[in-house]
Amino acid sequence: ETGVTQTPRHLVMGMTNKKSLKCEQHLGHNAMYWYKQSAKKPLELMFVYNFKEQTENNSVPSRFSPECPNSSHLFLHLHTLQPEDSALYLCASSRGTGYTGELFFGEGSRLTVL
Amino acid sequence: QKEVEQNSGPLSVPEGAIASLNCTYSDRGSQSFFWYRQYSGKSPELIMSIYSNGDKEDGRFTAQLNKASQYVSLLIRDSQPSDSATYLCAAFYGGSQGNLIFGKGTKLSVKP
Repeated sequence: ETGVTQTPRHLVMGMTNKKSLKCEQHLGHNAMYWYKQSAKKPLELMFVYNFKEQTENNSVPSRFSPECPNSSHLFLHLHTLQPEDSALYLCASSRGTGYTGELFFGEGSRLTVL
Repeated sequence: QKEVEQNSGPLSVPEGAIASLNCTYSDRGSQSFFWYRQYSGKSPELIMSIYSNGDKEDGRFTAQLNKASQYVSLLIRDSQPSDSATYLCAAFYGGSQGNLIFGKGTKLSVKP
């Protein structure tokens, strides 16, 4: 495996479900990110982890819960989501938080909330 | 409020022509600028970064930065159908990652 991989690629869940998105980077990077991409909206930063420590939470609702056990893995735990949370969730990595803008994205997890 | 503005397009150019993609940003304090390409159904891919006024060339791509006008552009020479994608402009205002602001993107279509 190379680059940044995300699973699952597609996810459909009801508002009462609990699910998780997984991200793994094989680039030796130290920083990992979750972004949300909705139609006709700019990319929105959700969370930043640097050396597995959370450094930013961009005012994300608590129904989204990130977890970063090490510098290579990142999870986004989802529970009691709303239909407006339906979007493409992108994981990204960079060499470090000093390399802002030089992001390597995974293919994304397309989430549909019914 | 920090913003990055792009024309959503679609911008349609014939094969072999020069495609010109433009971006403006709201804050003069912006430090660095990035262009990402996103094919339909795929994730964004960084193709150019520019940090100082002037032009930066990489193959068929040229990024241009004019800080006085708060304007960034991406020129694609000899456009190919494979260049058809949405191009995202991003500006970094310094400090935290949250200050990397993306535009909504311009959709480019290159016609054979």
